[in-house]
Amino acid sequence: DVKVTQSSRYLVKRTGEKVFLECVQDMDHENMFWYRQDPGLGLRLIYFSYDVKMKEKGDIPEGYSVSREKKERFSLILESASTNQTSMYLCASSVTGAGNEKLFFGSGTQLSVL
Amino acid sequence: GQQLNQSPQSMFIQEGEDVSMNCTSSSIFNTWLWYKQDPGEGPVLLIALYKAGELTSNGRLTAQFGTTRKDSFLNISASIPSDVGIYFCAGLDSNYQLIWGAGTKLIIKP
Repeated sequence: DVKVTQSSRYLVKRTGEKVFLECVQDMDHENMFWYRQDPGLGLRLIYFSYDVKMKEKGDIPEGYSVSREKKERFSLILESASTNQTSMYLCASSVTGAGNEKLFFGSGTQLSVL
Repeated sequence: GQQLNQSPQSMFIQEGEDVSMNCTSSSIFNTWLWYKQDPGEGPVLLIALYKAGELTSNGRLTAQFGTTRKDSFLNISASIPSDVGIYFCAGLDSNYQLIWGAGTKLIIKP
């Protein structure tokens, strides 16, 4: 089974802190994604990556950056956390080519910024 | 970004009832997907549809790819308590990006 592991289930940070959310997948998937989930808004894509050291902006990249130094790891960085970044963050991965629409998600990180 | 219109937003049903939800888009998609998110977990793929008119089942779940290619439907028959969660539709656009619905939250009345 594909496993996507997010390092923290719950995280509480203060406004202005730099926050790192880590995600690791164990199935050698090329594609990795970061989404945020807010009630009534569904899943919104923040950033994605199709290869090591490669990143693309999604629909809501402002206030975030990402890092992909190794194929299995994709990190989301909040440079200076703000209260409007309180949300559930979901990491996902998929293969390239046929089947790339089938995303495998981690369990999520609920981030609270106070 | 674009979002699909998914309805209803939430459903309160009795155990044993059938459930229907749908997604519509202003754009044509070549692939429709339905995911389910259990409480405290990430979404998991339930059904993928690749052809207009396609009807696919997964146990008590049946999904259809609308003939106009702008909509999709998910039905759950004889609901049970473990069906609670949030159901998301998603369509794959011409740039191979997934476009998501806002989700349908299913709650089963005790």
